Amino acid sequence: EPEVTQTPSHQVTQMGQEVILRCVPISNHLYFYWYRQILGQKVEFLVSFYNNEISEKSEIFDDQFSVERPDGSNFTLKIRSTKLEDSAMYFCARSGNTEAFFGQGTRLTVV
Amino acid sequence: AQKVTQAQTEISVVEKEDVTLDCVYETRDTTYYLFWYKQPPSGELVFLIRRNSFDEQNEISGRYSWNFQKSTSSFNFTITASQVVDSAVYFCALSDFTGGGNKLTFGTGTQLKVEL
Repeated sequence: EPEVTQTPSHQVTQMGQEVILRCVPISNHLYFYWYRQILGQKVEFLVSFYNNEISEKSEIFDDQFSVERPDGSNFTLKIRSTKLEDSAMYFCARSGNTEAFFGQGTRLTVV
Repeated sequence: AQKVTQAQTEISVVEKEDVTLDCVYETRDTTYYLFWYKQPPSGELVFLIRRNSFDEQNEISGRYSWNFQKSTSSFNFTITASQVVDSAVYFCALSDFTGGGNKLTFGTGTQLKVEL
């Protein structure tokens, strides 16, 4: 059973539309993360979420992005008005002190 | 700031050859963790290994082995007798505890192609 489950696996959206990517971590670790990987590039940190608050965010994580954990289990990343350059693979991760487990990723395509 | 360098962009080998993927890191932390992940064409990140900064013992797991050298800030990964199924992008990553938690800084990855 995967440590982290992400839905959907692939989403295609029109430019300017809002998208919500979902993540369900199996355990109750306190730290959750979103990472982004533009096609052919490295995996980049977007935001970390601790105790239901953002603990750190990168310069990529601008006002178009938001995260929340609305029901104590699902962890969501919302992109308010998608741009073509938001097309990427988005990974959710959960982490303890030492390990870091990634979901299988959501491939977002903005057309 | 944390930094991970994977100088090899792409490596091509013939099946059964041994191949070493290089990783060099920079950190000011005294306690840190290093990781290797495999990303097959399907796109998921597959965890391979984690080492902590206090454990410099080399590790072997089947055809995989890792050489951690703190003196040169390197954490290299060797695949012995490579197989076509090893073809993937391999990422080295370094933990970053600033801001709390265990955020990872990734290298740019090495594309490994194993051909028959």
